[in-house]
Amino acid sequence: DGGITQSPKYLFRKEGQNVTLSCEQNLNHDAMYWYRQDPGQGLRLIYYSQIVNDFQKGDIAEGYSVSREKKESFPLTVTSAQKNPTAFYLCASSTGLTTGELFFGEGSRLTVL
Amino acid sequence: SQQGEEDPQALSIQEGENATMNCSYKTSINNLQWYRQNSGRGLVHLILIRSNEREKHSGRLRVTLDTSKKSSSLLITASRAADTASYFCATEPGAGSYQLTFGKGTKLSVIP
Repeated sequence: DGGITQSPKYLFRKEGQNVTLSCEQNLNHDAMYWYRQDPGQGLRLIYYSQIVNDFQKGDIAEGYSVSREKKESFPLTVTSAQKNPTAFYLCASSTGLTTGELFFGEGSRLTVL
Repeated sequence: SQQGEEDPQALSIQEGENATMNCSYKTSINNLQWYRQNSGRGLVHLILIRSNEREKHSGRLRVTLDTSKKSSSLLITASRAADTASYFCATEPGAGSYQLTFGKGTKLSVIP
């Protein structure tokens, strides 16, 4: 079945550590996205990528980094520079940036201890 | 920046009743989408309505769009306990900007 796989589902991190969240899709989609969701809030865009080896900052990119070395993969690194990293992180993909519908993974919940 | 704002923030109804959620936005759009999120899960796309459309149906879902009022509504008819979830509207701006902007959502509880 085609879809988006995020891992790990739950992650605990000590302050000062970097952590990388995995996102893999087998939908053959060109565009991929990372969103952050805080309790009772909507989604805020962290980074997005339209094509391999290219990505753009979203509204809240500070303290995060991404790479897009393969079409299927768009990992997100939460660095120690992110002041409040505890959140639910969602990866999504679409056939193109202007296509509309996003397909989401099941999310990764990061807790900083 | 969050453009879509859903109303109400929370809604509780009995099974079999209709549920209506509203979304308002501020700038012109190419399309507006509705998504559903079960607790602790990813979002699932429900329906997309383009700026030149006024109404769209999908099963028990009916979406309307009023671009003059910059608002949309999502109606779920004959609700079921399984409809319990949070519902988000997302707007895709026009004029070359393609980033979807999500609202804070309406939390729907359907009581059996």
